[in-house]
Amino acid sequence: LAKTTQPISMDSYEGQEVNITCSHNNIATNDYITWYQQFPSQGPRFIIQGYKTKVTNEVASLFIPADRKSSTLSLPRVSLSDTAVYYCLVGGSSMYSGGGADGLTFGKGTHLIIQP
Amino acid sequence: DTGVSQDPRHKITKRGQNVTFRCDPISEHNRLYWYRQTLGQGPEFLTYFQNEAQLEKSRLLSDRFSAERPKGSFSTLEIQRTEQGDSAMYLCASSLTGDTGELFFGEGSRLTVL
Repeated sequence: LAKTTQPISMDSYEGQEVNITCSHNNIATNDYITWYQQFPSQGPRFIIQGYKTKVTNEVASLFIPADRKSSTLSLPRVSLSDTAVYYCLVGGSSMYSGGGADGLTFGKGTHLIIQP
Repeated sequence: DTGVSQDPRHKITKRGQNVTFRCDPISEHNRLYWYRQTLGQGPEFLTYFQNEAQLEKSRLLSDRFSAERPKGSFSTLEIQRTEQGDSAMYLCASSLTGDTGELFFGEGSRLTVL
């Protein structure tokens, strides 16, 4: 089971780019990296997923170095509504083939606070 | 609304009572997951189904917890003889087989055990 380490909290300001880094030193060859966002009293919401290099969608980018032992979620030009908890999950290769659920473990996440 | 729905949204019960939560996944999703979340913590994985088969249940918190998905559609999570420590948000999520990670979560069912 690949354990992840993220900062407990981060602060930033509206309009800034925010980068949240997740460490996962024990990532397995077939593991994916997935990020979720959660607002209070709501279920988590998928943001982005990647395996290596860079992935970009309409809300975020995910940077993964060659050794895959860390990943960085990048949120461009944040707004107050981006204040939330962000979770990094690693694993899932066995689950996706019908095996265990190692890719479904959420840590404590990073509480991102955006100020005006 | 075609998202994941959970019922009830809130449940207050007395210690020792049984409670049941229902989850209706997105209709074409064959995988369904249950999580528990306590204040300040990330969601804690409990169990998941592929169609009606429960493929992982070793992480259910105790034998008081059980889940079913009898026809591969909706699922129920039952907690017997509730304890105050069971107070939490219970989250359900669904996904498609073959997808590599996008879980669609419901709004959750908040349990308060008095």
